[in-house]
Amino acid sequence: LAKTTQPISMDSYEGQEVNITCSHNNIATNDYITWYQQFPSQGPRFIIQGYKTKVTNEVASLFIPADRKSSTLSLPRVSLSDTAVYYCLVVGVDTNAGKSTFGDGTTLTVKP
Amino acid sequence: NAGVTQTPKFQVLKTGQSMTLQCAQDMNHNSMYWYRQDPGMGLRLIYYSASEGTTDKGEVPNGYNVSRLNKREFSLRLESAAPSQTSVYFCASSEDWDRVDQETQYFGPGTRLLVL
Repeated sequence: LAKTTQPISMDSYEGQEVNITCSHNNIATNDYITWYQQFPSQGPRFIIQGYKTKVTNEVASLFIPADRKSSTLSLPRVSLSDTAVYYCLVVGVDTNAGKSTFGDGTTLTVKP
Repeated sequence: NAGVTQTPKFQVLKTGQSMTLQCAQDMNHNSMYWYRQDPGMGLRLIYYSASEGTTDKGEVPNGYNVSRLNKREFSLRLESAAPSQTSVYFCASSEDWDRVDQETQYFGPGTRLLVL
């Protein structure tokens, strides 16, 4: 089971780009990296998933280097409403959702 | 679509009381999960059900039991509540559990439980 490590907290200001890095040194060949976002008093929601290189959607980008031992979630031009906890998970055939762990996540605080 | 619904939203119990947390999903998902989240902490998996008729333990199953009543419903029971079980409980579902493209979990709004 690939363990992930993320910073506990980060601060940013409105309009800035925020990059949150996650380490997953023992990721398996068939594993994917998945990020969730959790607002206060709500359940987490899926943001983005990727296997290698770069994935982009309307919310964020995910950068994964060739060795796949880490990944970076990039949030462009954050606003106050992006204040949330962000979780990095490793999921896959050998690390199925039934055994994926959310960890403590990264608390992002966006200031005006 | 309501997605994942949970009842009740909030509950206060006394030590030793029992209760059942209800969860239902209307997305025709095969897999369902129960998590707990203590203040300032991440989510910890209590139990999951890969498919109808099966259940399995997660990280922190002690003190809990589950029932996958049918494909839609997955309940969590506390037989004898303890103050250490004060937490927010989230139910989630996913299309499946062993295919990466079907593992995305959809969460309910949570049940806040206080055990005195």
